[in-house]
Amino acid sequence: QTVVTQEPSLTVSPGGTVTLTCASSTGAVTSGYYPNWFQQKPGQAPRALIYSTSNKHSWTPARFSGSLLGGKAALTLSGVQPEDEAEYYCLLYYGGAQRVFGTGTKVTVL
Amino acid sequence: EVQLVQSGAEVKKPGESLKISCKGSGYSFTSYWIGWVRQMPGKGLEWMGIIYPGDSDTRYSPSFQGQVTISADKSISTAYLQWSSLKASDTAMYYCARQGKAVAVDYWGQGTLVTVSS
Repeated sequence: QTVVTQEPSLTVSPGGTVTLTCASSTGAVTSGYYPNWFQQKPGQAPRALIYSTSNKHSWTPARFSGSLLGGKAALTLSGVQPEDEAEYYCLLYYGGAQRVFGTGTKVTVL
Repeated sequence: EVQLVQSGAEVKKPGESLKISCKGSGYSFTSYWIGWVRQMPGKGLEWMGIIYPGDSDTRYSPSFQGQVTISADKSISTAYLQWSSLKASDTAMYYCARQGKAVAVDYWGQGTLVTVSS
């Protein structure tokens, strides 16, 4: 059973920078896993932020960026705003039907 | 404007069947995959499976194979998720989401809450 692990929680000050990571139990995450990142606020559907490692959707704020870092997928929030407080999930593609979400990271802006 | 609109909340008893829907609009429904995602109360997201409405190519995540059926009717731009015999453990929010090229998951439905209780 493939497990995708994220930090359970991170705290950042307004205006600060925070990096979330996404690790695969199968080994290093590469661009071939087509990492996606999503933001979910309480009571809302997830919202897509990043696809294919680092590509932004037309609605993704510039302060969000995706990358590969030390064998993991990473999402960096720069110049954090209070409205960025949310749960963040990564999604990795393993081929065929198999896509696996990460365990989620709760980001608190304090 | 791309939209995925899901059917309303359902309350069912264990053993009953159920089919929920996801209607796409504002784009070519047959040119994008539609995936289904489960979120149990207070828990994370789980990928269930995906269908390509253009040819009904359907693929299930191992955990959901045999537990649910995914289908689509391209004539009405609607994808479906169905159960033949619900269990209490199927209680969850279910989302549909569109997937395009480069495995880009972009638009999401608003979710359908399924409650299974005797």
